[in-house]
Order: sequence, then structure tokens, then C-alpha cells
Amino acid sequence: DAKTTQPPSMDCAEGRAANLPCNHSTISGNEYVYWYRQIHSQGPQYIIHGLKNNETNEMASLIITEDRKSSTLILPHATLRDTAVYYCIVARPGSARQLTFGSGTQLTVLP
Amino acid sequence: EPEVTQTPSHQVTQMGQEVILRCVPISNHLYFYWYRQILGQKVEFLVSFYNNEISEKSEIFDDQFSVERPDGSNFTLKIRSTKLEDSAMYFCASSAEAGLMETQYFGPGTRLLVL
Repeated sequence: DAKTTQPPSMDCAEGRAANLPCNHSTISGNEYVYWYRQIHSQGPQYIIHGLKNNETNEMASLIITEDRKSSTLILPHATLRDTAVYYCIVARPGSARQLTFGSGTQLTVLP
Repeated sequence: EPEVTQTPSHQVTQMGQEVILRCVPISNHLYFYWYRQILGQKVEFLVSFYNNEISEKSEIFDDQFSVERPDGSNFTLKIRSTKLEDSAMYFCASSAEAGLMETQYFGPGTRLLVL
């Protein structure tokens, strides 16, 4: 599975959009980009995933560049409860694939 | 909303003792996983399980570890003889068979402390 690079930490003002970048320059054609987050040692929480098109759900939007070498997770109106470690994970499809977690980005939403 | 549950939330044990961590995956899911996270470190994959067999396992998942689905609802991780370095949060996850990619949903974890 491709390796990902994320900034170790970011701050965001409450109510503003949080844009979390991820580089995955070695991604291959059949690998998906997944985003999870972990709030203070709780279980990782699935946010969103995509292959090459931009995706949006009730939690976030995922923007994947045309060459698929990077992506951005957007939380449109960050709240204090969005303070967490955000993980960008690239994984091949298939049954029971393991997720490889990196160090992620610690997002702190400031009041 | 369906969720993965885990028991106990905390477990303290003596080195060398056996522990069993329990998980109830989401009811219609077919794939089950265990991950662990040592304090301050990354979440690490241990094992995946499908159709009553191990699908993948990591180097961490040695002979001291085993998994079982003893009935239609529970999924367990057994550590036969615990070591100090087994102290960690253990997360269970499950996923449904849904096309090419199965989203994994995680439980709240069991904090294991080995003394």
C-alpha cells in the first residue's frame, strides 16, 4: 500500500473550514484514499473515502487531485468536537484488507 | 446506528496470565479485525478474520495470540501469556462485504494493562 505524508499538527478556528492535506505520491491506480479520525484514544472513526472523484458526505468533503498524488479533507465548519488526530490512509481494495495507520495530523479546533 | 462494542473497557492482569478480549461486531458484517495502539504510538493492525479463518496477520500476531468467533455474535482475541509490552488499547473492527472496498468500523477499545 502507498505511503502517506501528513503535517503533524494544525489549528483551526471554530466555525471555520479545516483543510487537512495528505500527500500520497506513490498511489497506484486501484488504491483508495481513506480518512479516519481518532478522538483522544477512542476507536478510529471512519470519515470518508474516494478513488479519484471528489466526495462529500455529512461529515466532510474529500478533494483528490487529478493526478491522485495528494488529497485534502475539508471539514466545512469545524467545531471543538472535531479536535482529533486525522489519518489519511491509502489502501488497495479486496476482502479484509488491513488499514495501515501513520502518525496522522493532530487537528486542534480553537474557540 | 449500529456499532461495534467491546468488553471489558479496561483490563488489568498480571504478566503471564491469559486474557480474552471480547467484541460484538456490527450484526450483518462478515469481516472482523483486531488492532492495537500502544500509548503514544500508532494504531497497528494485528489480524483480520473472515469465514472462520484468519485472512491476514501481522508480525505482531505471534503464537501467543489467537482469535475466535465462538458464536454468531462474538469475536474474541486471546493472549495466552501476557507480557508487559502487551499493554495497549485493543480495538476491534468489522466491515461488511460491500463491493470492492469495505469500510471498517471500530469499537471503543479495551485498555489492557499488564503488570
